Amino acid sequence: GAVVSQHPSWVICKSGTSVKIECRSLDFQATTMFWYRQFPKQSLMLMATSNEGSKATYEQGVEKDKFLINHASLTLSTLTVTSAHPEDSSFYICSAPPPNSGANVLTFGAGSRLTVL
Amino acid sequence: QKEVEQDPGPLSVPEGAIVSLNCTYSNSAFQYFMWYRQYSRKGPELLMYTYSSGNKEDGRFTAQVDKSSKYISLFIRDSQPSDSATYLCAMKENQGGKLIFGQGTELSVKP
Repeated sequence: GAVVSQHPSWVICKSGTSVKIECRSLDFQATTMFWYRQFPKQSLMLMATSNEGSKATYEQGVEKDKFLINHASLTLSTLTVTSAHPEDSSFYICSAPPPNSGANVLTFGAGSRLTVL
Repeated sequence: QKEVEQDPGPLSVPEGAIVSLNCTYSNSAFQYFMWYRQYSRKGPELLMYTYSSGNKEDGRFTAQVDKSSKYISLFIRDSQPSDSATYLCAMKENQGGKLIFGQGTELSVKP
């Protein structure tokens, strides 16, 4: 079945540094990928839609200069949290629609837990 | 008011019990309804997907959608300890629309 892989699964960094999270579709191509953020005991909130070959579309209230998204190929999207601060500590999850599923079904990665000290 | 409301629980039941999980929503334009299961520190996995109103059954799981009441449910029969997870409802208006998630209900099934 369709698999989405994220790396790293866990990262700790110092305040002010930048962190890159990778999202790969392992056995299918994805022209679109979605990045979500989930705080403890909270819902998944869509941050941005990553589009291969074009700029990402950000949700209202999400700083595009802080959360840089690059959809480098049909199987890879990256999220870079720039100048991270403790309030950016969260669980970041990417997803992609597998082929022949329509846009209604999303396959999610296992998530990346970011802790900013 | 949130677009999608879901009781966060936690909900604790004995093994073998029937579990009922619910979500209410305010946007009458939602047409696609999903239930995801999320184990601790993992990404969500799709359990059930329903279009418009009606029921859908898959093994021990039954999803119900009542659009007139803006209410959806997930029933788990003969619950197992392995069902212990957070269950998230999600919905969208159309195929290309944004998927809106509920807060998730934490379920614990005790052996």
